[in-house]
Amino acid sequence: DAGVIQSPRHEVTEMGQEVTLRCKPISGHDYLFWYRQTMMRGLELLIYFNNNVPIDDSGMPEDRFSAKMPNASFSTLKIQPSEPRDSAVYFCASSLGLVIISEQFFGPGTRLTVL
Amino acid sequence: AQKVTQAQTEISVVEKEDVTLDCVYETRDTTYYLFWYKQPPSGELVFLIRRNSFDEQNEISGRYSWNFQKSTSSFNFTITASQVVDSAVYFCALSSFRNTPLVFGKGTRLSVIA
Repeated sequence: DAGVIQSPRHEVTEMGQEVTLRCKPISGHDYLFWYRQTMMRGLELLIYFNNNVPIDDSGMPEDRFSAKMPNASFSTLKIQPSEPRDSAVYFCASSLGLVIISEQFFGPGTRLTVL
Repeated sequence: AQKVTQAQTEISVVEKEDVTLDCVYETRDTTYYLFWYKQPPSGELVFLIRRNSFDEQNEISGRYSWNFQKSTSSFNFTITASQVVDSAVYFCALSSFRNTPLVFGKGTRLSVIA
């Protein structure tokens, strides 16, 4: 299997621009997670889906952030408008079943820099 | 509330030394799982181990060993005879039936010097 695929791997944008991060989970996995990693806050869960349905988005920082999962093989995390404090590494992860019974596989991450 | 504390922010050891990474967790649930992940300089997160709350047996995998003690709410990770390739950030994480996603600690950056 190809593993969790994220694109782009690196994104540099200017403040105010819209940013879209993409994720393809491992085929057959029914849970998808979006995390953000910063030096200050560590790894934070932003939102997760089960069978394409958002289950918990309480970690989404503010209305500028939105996530969708239109089908089982694709998810996006959008930031509009982007701000310098959004600079971070964004990870997508997927699992087959609940995390407590199934390993969570992480993608390589997208390093976002907002100037 | 669920919480994972990794008090050691950074550790530096000389190659071949043993090193223990501490992890203390908080949860009200009786059924939970504990995890360790490794994040090498390349950035990806690599799964190392998952233990459930009913199994307190220590586990050894090569140079890696884990000590789970419910009495102290700790799940410590020891690397024996460390190698330069062990240099990475190591994360401890917690999940339970009532809180599906992983709750991560802040991580411990381990530097192994040749």
